[in-house]
Order: sequence, then structure tokens, then C-alpha cells
Amino acid sequence: KNQVEQSPQSLIILEGKNCTLQCNYTVSPFSNLRWYKQDTGRGPVSLTIMTFSENTKSNGRYTATLDADTKQSSLHITASQLSDSASYICVVSDRGSTLGRLYFGRGTQLTVWP
Amino acid sequence: EADIYQTPRYLVIGTGKKITLECSQTMGHDKMYWYQQDPGMELHLIHYSYGVNSTEKGDLSSESTVSRIRTEHFPLTLESARPSHTSQYLCASSESRGRGEKLFFGSGTQLSVL
Repeated sequence: KNQVEQSPQSLIILEGKNCTLQCNYTVSPFSNLRWYKQDTGRGPVSLTIMTFSENTKSNGRYTATLDADTKQSSLHITASQLSDSASYICVVSDRGSTLGRLYFGRGTQLTVWP
Repeated sequence: EADIYQTPRYLVIGTGKKITLECSQTMGHDKMYWYQQDPGMELHLIHYSYGVNSTEKGDLSSESTVSRIRTEHFPLTLESARPSHTSQYLCASSESRGRGEKLFFGSGTQLSVL
């Protein structure tokens, strides 16, 4: 069964600190992995998209890594800000599929305290 | 900022009412999607469309129906709402550009059925 598991479920950090969120998946065959940020009561916003051949991709203070061999990804947030408080969702797509075949994780709820 | 709009943002209605959730995008995207999301849970695809007059059911069984008469418009209808339909409904769109296509989400409609 294709699955996406994220950890931790929730995380509290102080403003200015770094953090790393984890995503493990069993989706096969693999096409790409996406990280989204979802603010409370809003729709998800894309942070990064990585294909099989990409090991790392950055978007400002967000850096995603991908190890397709171990089927693991991480999202590293540097110098956190209060506005980083949100749910971060890992999404995996399988190869040859329509975009409708996306497998969503349940997200990591990040809270940044001043 | 994505040009995809959902109305209403919040809706509280009584059981048995017919409702339509609106979704419009001004990006000219062929593909549009409806997802359902409960708190702390992953998004589930309930409907998708690859173009005008093309609609398909998603992974999660839903009593709702959709239509795609115009490219920019993808409304979702519930003929008779029930408390089990209480959830957040997210509309999304993407352009047909291969495996790395980006998904744009609306802000969602939070539906509460009493």
C-alpha cells in the first residue's frame, strides 16, 4: 500500500532556531516529492518539487532533501520566523500517473514561539 | 499568489439542504481538483477534471457531484447535506506540463452541517 508518513506530528521551536521535518514514503514507482506549507484555514502552498534525480532543493530558508534509495525526505527550516508556524505536508506522486494520483502525508504542525 | 478562488469561505447549514461550493481559476489551467480534508488528516481527492466536460471521481467516495462547463469554473454540489459532510473542501488546479507540474490551491471552504 502506498503511504506517506511524516514525523514529528507536531513541533514547537523558538524563533530564530532551525528545525528539520521528516517524510518517509513507500510510494512506488516514484515520480516526484513535494513539500507544501499550509497555514491554518488556508490552502496548501507549494515550497519545493523534487524528481528522482534531485537530492536537494532550496526555496529561501527552506531546504528539502531527497534520498530515493531509502525513500526519505526532509525539510530543513533555517532561522525560523513566527510566520513559519503552519502545517508542512509531504506529498509523493507515482510515476506514469495522472497528477490526481498524489499521496499526502498528514503533515507536521510547526509552532514557532517568540 | 495563486489565482484560484473559492466561495464561500465558511458555510453553516442544516441537514438536508442543497449546497454548491464554488471554485474559479483565472490561470487557464486544464486540470482542476476537489480535495476533502479533516483536521490533522491528509487530503483526500474526491473529484478531478482534465478539461471541459471531463470529470472523474477520486480516491475517496463522496456523495457530491461536480461539473466542468467552462475551463475556469469547477463547482461542487451536495444535493442533501448531512453532518458527515462536515469538513474542509479544497479546490486546486494545475496546468498540463508533465510530472513536475505545480498544484495551486484555493483557500478552502469550511463546511459545517448541523
